[in-house]
Amino acid sequence: EIVMTQSPATLSVSPGERATLSCRASQSVRSNLAWYQQKPGQAPRLLMYGASTRATDIPARFSGSGSGTEYNLTISSLQSEDFAIYYCQHYSNWPLTFGGGTKVEIK
Amino acid sequence: EVQLLESGGGLKQPGGSLRLSCAASGFTFSTYAMTWVRQAPGKGLEWVSSISVSGGSTYYADSVKGRFTISRDNSKNTLYLQMNSLRAEDTAVYYCAKDRITTGGTDMDVWGKGTTVTVSS
Repeated sequence: EIVMTQSPATLSVSPGERATLSCRASQSVRSNLAWYQQKPGQAPRLLMYGASTRATDIPARFSGSGSGTEYNLTISSLQSEDFAIYYCQHYSNWPLTFGGGTKVEIK
Repeated sequence: EVQLLESGGGLKQPGGSLRLSCAASGFTFSTYAMTWVRQAPGKGLEWVSSISVSGGSTYYADSVKGRFTISRDNSKNTLYLQMNSLRAEDTAVYYCAKDRITTGGTDMDVWGKGTTVTVSS
């Protein structure tokens, strides 16, 4: 099983600032990597797939990068609606696994 | 509008059984793999099970293998999760999700609102 580790667990950021979230896989996932956003009481929403392709209707301030075992999600200028928990997920093989999440909170 | 609506959650005693359903609408259900993901209270997301378009291939997390069975009825646009031998650690919100591409084993681009399963005596 591929273990996904996200860091930091919590990121305190001021509105308008840049945020970079990290996701590390215990072995290469060959860019088979997705990012999700989840707000309290809501279902997750797909942000990014293939490590760097934005999903439908996702704003351009979200970008993804990385390869092999190391991946990042960057939010270029945080808006109020971006404060949430973010999860990475690999789909390189079975079982699919998620990272533990990074909470982006208002500083 | 693409929509997934879960139902069937509730309170069950340890050892009991429950069947979750997920009604799909707004897309051609029979052409997409489908997935169940759960989230324990205050915890992160955990993949539970996935099923291929035809239902001929199924995949399970080790934590539920042998106890849960995923299935689908393409004529009814409905996904199911039969949950047997329930344990306290199965307590979670269960989300039904559509795989982004038809072959499955990928990310999930449409999610239901979830149904809550509580296992407690």
